[in-house]
Amino acid sequence: KAGVTQTPRYLIKTRGQQVTLSCSPISGHRSVSWYQQTPGQGLQFLFEYFSETQRNKGNFPGRFSGRQFSNSRSEMNVSTLELGDSALYLCASSLVPAGNYEQYFGPGTRLTVT
Amino acid sequence: DAKTTQPNSMESNEEEPVHLPCNHSTISGTDYIHWYRQLPSQGPEYVIHGLTSNVNNRMASLAIAEDRKSSTLILHRATLRDAAVYYCILRDTAGNNRKLIWGLGTSLAVNP
Repeated sequence: KAGVTQTPRYLIKTRGQQVTLSCSPISGHRSVSWYQQTPGQGLQFLFEYFSETQRNKGNFPGRFSGRQFSNSRSEMNVSTLELGDSALYLCASSLVPAGNYEQYFGPGTRLTVT
Repeated sequence: DAKTTQPNSMESNEEEPVHLPCNHSTISGTDYIHWYRQLPSQGPEYVIHGLTSNVNNRMASLAIAEDRKSSTLILHRATLRDAAVYYCILRDTAGNNRKLIWGLGTSLAVNP
């Protein structure tokens, strides 16, 4: 069974631009979560989608948005990029969004904003 | 908000057991305790999870205190491949983790 895939793996953008990251969950998984990881902050939760609906949202500004498609694939978008948005963006999938199910993470997309 | 506290770093020797502690004094009755680890240049990897009873799987064991305010991840025989950052997190029954901060975890070094 293929794991969680994220594209692109690396991305360089300029301040003010926007970016879209993609995540394909494990086949059969319907829950997708997004995290931002920076060296000094650890993993910070961005949002979670289940059956095309956003279930939870972390404490990030409205410049960060996401969506989920009927095939459970998910995208996240960051508009008006800032230098501080440079980070590793991780996507995780699970069967359903329940506490007794494990999450499977992708390798992440490394975003650099210059 | 649910929060966990872990030591910044720990060190072990190869083939010796490792006990990684985690404090979660604000845990609620519906919170599951999850452990993940992240190897260099990879996304986090699921290790184990539990609610009240101790749990074992092929990777590790999870010992949960009777009051559930702390837990310990046990690697029975550390290998060089176990060198990673270990995260202890809480997820409630509904899977909500919007208030959760993963933090910096425990960086485990394994000496040959």
